[in-house]
Amino acid sequence: GAVVSQHPSWVICKSGTSVKIECRSLDFQATTMFWYRQFPKQSLMLMATSNEGSKATYEQGVEKDKFLINHASLTLSTLTVTSAHPEDSSFYICSARGPLVLAKNIQYFGAGTRLSVL
Amino acid sequence: AQTVTQSQPEMSVQEAETVTLSCTYDTSESDYYLFWYKQPPSRQMILVIRQEAYKQQNATENRFSVNFQKAAKSFSLKISDSQLGDAAMYFCAYRRLRDDKIIFGKGTRLHILP
Repeated sequence: GAVVSQHPSWVICKSGTSVKIECRSLDFQATTMFWYRQFPKQSLMLMATSNEGSKATYEQGVEKDKFLINHASLTLSTLTVTSAHPEDSSFYICSARGPLVLAKNIQYFGAGTRLSVL
Repeated sequence: AQTVTQSQPEMSVQEAETVTLSCTYDTSESDYYLFWYKQPPSRQMILVIRQEAYKQQNATENRFSVNFQKAAKSFSLKISDSQLGDAAMYFCAYRRLRDDKIIFGKGTRLHILP
């Protein structure tokens, strides 16, 4: 089945630094990827929708200058948390959807990235 | 806006028994998808089962089945012959067709008692 790889799985950084998280579709071309944030013991909250070759669409309340998303190819989307602060510590998950005719309306999830900002 | 409600934060079931997880949703759309996802301690989201709203027949996947009541906007998950590996957080999810966005419920943590 389709696999989405997310890297790194865990990152610790100092406050004020930037962190990049990668989301790759390994055996299919992902025209659309989604980025979620999950706080401990809570549900997944959609942050933004990333479309290949165009600007990401952010959900209300998500700072686009804080969470930079780049979807430069059909297999890679990146989320950069800029000037990270302790309140940005969270679990970030990506999902990828291929072309509708192939994906059969299924989104495939990465394993997530745990970000800890000191 | 669509909402998904899971009223059971936690549930427990004896191994080999059957358990039903509840989910209700609210939408004004007529066509959509519904999903149950499992999130084990590894936190990898795993698709358990999905249901197309236009299909009246309830979806089944081995020991997992749903009771989809479109008029009542209810989408419960039944797990038969529960196994220790079924222990996880289960999320009910609604997927909009127009933009593929998924709205998740708050989850139900399922414990399997040996």
